[in-house]
Amino acid sequence: GQQVMQIPQYQHVQEGEDFTTYCNSSTTLSNIQWYKQRPGGHPVFLIQLVKSGEVKKQKRLTFQFGEAKKNSSLHITATQTTDVGTYFCAGGTSYGKLTFGQGTILTVHP
Amino acid sequence: NAGVTQTPKFQVLKTGQSMTLQCAQDMNHNSMYWYRQDPGMGLRLIYYSASEGTTDKGEVPNGYNVSRLNKREFSLRLESAAPSQTSVYFCANGWGGTDTQYFGPGTRLTVL
Repeated sequence: GQQVMQIPQYQHVQEGEDFTTYCNSSTTLSNIQWYKQRPGGHPVFLIQLVKSGEVKKQKRLTFQFGEAKKNSSLHITATQTTDVGTYFCAGGTSYGKLTFGQGTILTVHP
Repeated sequence: NAGVTQTPKFQVLKTGQSMTLQCAQDMNHNSMYWYRQDPGMGLRLIYYSASEGTTDKGEVPNGYNVSRLNKREFSLRLESAAPSQTSVYFCANGWGGTDTQYFGPGTRLTVL
């Protein structure tokens, strides 16, 4: 089936360092969503991108949707301990379904 | 509003036992979903229901059954639990298709 691949699987950073996670699809996506799951919690919707080349910001978080609408990235500037958790991308596929990536687990060392 | 609620929060079963995980929403969304989350595997869709009275298989349906009792409730049943079904189970809802999904707090299930 249609897959959305996410890398890296794990990322360890020192507090204050930047962090980026990438999401890739072999086919064009209708939209891309990003979710955050705190340790022991449940995934929570962060943002949705729909347009080719779209860039959105939420404070220290920057989200990009590729020109071909096949890839996306989430960049966190100057990480804080509150950023720890698992970040999931989810792509809207041609089947009209939302497919989740495997997630990137972010650890921030104080 | 509670959003999406799940019961129980934790459960331990012995191999071969059966149980039903309950999910309810007060958001009036059409679609509901059941996922399982295992380390390194992300969120895998078990079953979904696009609307009341309809259910469809997802990526990993074997060993599970579902019931969309009404618009509010979507239950997941394990008829004969196996250790491979040890996981965290999330229920979610949304308007369907590629729209945003809203997750419940999860059920942590251990099968011995």
